[in-house]
Amino acid sequence: RKEVEQDPGPFNVPEGATVAFNCTYSNSASQSFFWYRQDCRKEPKLLMSVYSSGNEDGRFTAQLNRASQYISLLIRDSKLSDSATYLCVVIVNTGGFKTIFGAGTRLFVKA
Amino acid sequence: GAGVSQSPRYKVAKRGQDVALRCDPISGHVSLFWYQQALGQGPEFLTYFQNEAQLDKSGLPSDRFFAERPEGSVSTLKIQRTQQEDSAVYLCASLNRLPGQGEGNTEAFFGQGTRLTVV
Repeated sequence: RKEVEQDPGPFNVPEGATVAFNCTYSNSASQSFFWYRQDCRKEPKLLMSVYSSGNEDGRFTAQLNRASQYISLLIRDSKLSDSATYLCVVIVNTGGFKTIFGAGTRLFVKA
Repeated sequence: GAGVSQSPRYKVAKRGQDVALRCDPISGHVSLFWYQQALGQGPEFLTYFQNEAQLDKSGLPSDRFFAERPEGSVSTLKIQRTQQEDSAVYLCASLNRLPGQGEGNTEAFFGQGTRLTVV
């Protein structure tokens, strides 16, 4: 079983739709959580950190459920420019800190 | 420079050839990671350095893969006797701070990657 798991999608949604992604992690020593965005043939870039209390940045809302070991990302009012792969990222305290990525969820927003 | 820099951007190697991939992290970032990303997949962890110490190399797929960071800044990932299955994008990332350390948020900054094609 992978340490960080995501539904690979693809999610095909119309502009203006609300879409949600989930991610589960298996290591209870996971300490920090993030969503990264990766465009085709580009490097991953930070979208937002995920805090225990939940956090919002414009149209994006991230939530963390430590008890169930999952993270979610909600995108409201989808734009064409939101089309990308969304990577769930976990930093695990292994004595050092190991950053682990999910395989990503692909999103296509259509006009 | 201001970001993580990787070189070369593209590398074509003949099967059996040795290659060396370079990563220049952001100055002052102590944690450095290497990832391998196959087409359509997420980045897979290869190895991790804190300063010059290689704390975790559990993701290196075989003993043909070797990474070093002798002075705690620039890192090199070396692949010996390359095979076709080594073809991938190799990403380097550095962390601005460790979780819980100092003020502000932890973020991993990525280089643009080296696309390795073994023919």
